[in-house]
Amino acid sequence: AQSVTQLDSQVPVFEEAPVELRCNYSSSVSVYLFWYVQYPNQGLQLLLKYLSGSTLVKGINGFEAEFNKSQTSFHLRKPSVHISDTAEYFCAVTRSGNTPLVFGKGTRLSVIA
Amino acid sequence: ETGVTQTPRHLVMGMTNKKSLKCEQHLGHNAMYWYKQSAKKPLELMFVYNFKEQTENNSVPSRFSPECPNSSHLFLHLHTLQPEDSALYLCASSQDQGEQFFGPGTRLTVL
Repeated sequence: AQSVTQLDSQVPVFEEAPVELRCNYSSSVSVYLFWYVQYPNQGLQLLLKYLSGSTLVKGINGFEAEFNKSQTSFHLRKPSVHISDTAEYFCAVTRSGNTPLVFGKGTRLSVIA
Repeated sequence: ETGVTQTPRHLVMGMTNKKSLKCEQHLGHNAMYWYKQSAKKPLELMFVYNFKEQTENNSVPSRFSPECPNSSHLFLHLHTLQPEDSALYLCASSQDQGEQFFGPGTRLTVL
């Protein structure tokens, strides 16, 4: 079975500073990886996904993530954050097959002016 | 985002009431999901439907009863709920259980 660990429950960062949200997964087979964002009182919105190919994945709103198979990580990064990036971020994994997503517990990103 | 819609957006109910949550997806997907999101807890997968057939039930209490009449619609029937069932209930859909698209959720409060 797969599992996802998001190492930081909360990450405060000043506006225009870089940020990295960490995600590690465990799986004995190849996986698909996702990052979702949830703004207050809304559902989850896909930021980016890794299915195969290039390990550096670019998503919406200037976010990117790098798949590292040897470290079983899929950390999310943004070089310069905005106030509007304040939200909850979820990492998720699924097997390359017909199984539901497994989500991490989420990381609350707070951008400080 | 109109791909997955949920109604109502907010619901307040007493413990003896019966109510239903509705989810509709306009994306042509073949899988639909119910999740429960409580404060300070991880997202909990409740039910999964593939081609209208339930494929997962993660030990959800029987006071939650799902219904999937077709691939585009999913319901969650609620009865005799407890205050600890208060949460945001999220619906999602996907094609062959890949990337999931989420609705805005129903904020449920049980008094």
